[in-house]
Amino acid sequence: DIQMTQSPSTLSASVGDRVTITCRASQTISNWLAWYQQKPGKAPKLLIYKASSLESGVPSRFSGSGSGTEFTLTISSLQPDDFATYYCQLYDTYYYTFGQGTKLEIK
Amino acid sequence: QVQLQESGPGLVKPSQTLSLTCIVSGGSISSDNYYWSWVRQPAGKGLEWIGHIYTSGSTKYNPSLKGRLTISVDKSRNQFSLRLNSVTAADTAVYFCARILYRGYYFDSWGQGTLVTVSS
Repeated sequence: DIQMTQSPSTLSASVGDRVTITCRASQTISNWLAWYQQKPGKAPKLLIYKASSLESGVPSRFSGSGSGTEFTLTISSLQPDDFATYYCQLYDTYYYTFGQGTKLEIK
Repeated sequence: QVQLQESGPGLVKPSQTLSLTCIVSGGSISSDNYYWSWVRQPAGKGLEWIGHIYTSGSTKYNPSLKGRLTISVDKSRNQFSLRLNSVTAADTAVYFCARILYRGYYFDSWGQGTLVTVSS
């Protein structure tokens, strides 16, 4: 089984900051990697799919990159609405795995 | 715009069967463009894919739950269902139904989630 390690688990930042969240896979994966934002009491919301494709309606300050075993989600300039928990998700041979989550907090 | 809505008991006794249904509106569950899935999230913890079903009826299950799990589809009612047998307190979680894009391999639409508590 492929293991996903998401880091950091918690991130403190200020409005206007640029932040990066990383997911590392235990072995090389294809680019079937997605990122989600989740707010308390709500379902996750798709942000990025296929590692770097921006979902329709998602602000352009969100971007995804990476290949092989390392993938990143970048928020270029944090807005108040961005403070939430973020998850990566990979697909590998019929199965889906989520990262452990990164809670983005206001500094 | 597709909408998904979970329904089912919020309380299940240990060793019994957890049953949930996801009603799909605004789109056809018979579409060959999507898988229909279940994801759960224990309180304060991360997301866990449970399994999914395709319109053909073919299923894939999380190996950690295999043997206790059945996902089925009812095309006439445009809904799909989850049955998890022999539940324990570890199965207490918010259960989401979600749609996966076929050959896109990501979850593009989600239900609001329903809390299921396993307790006597």
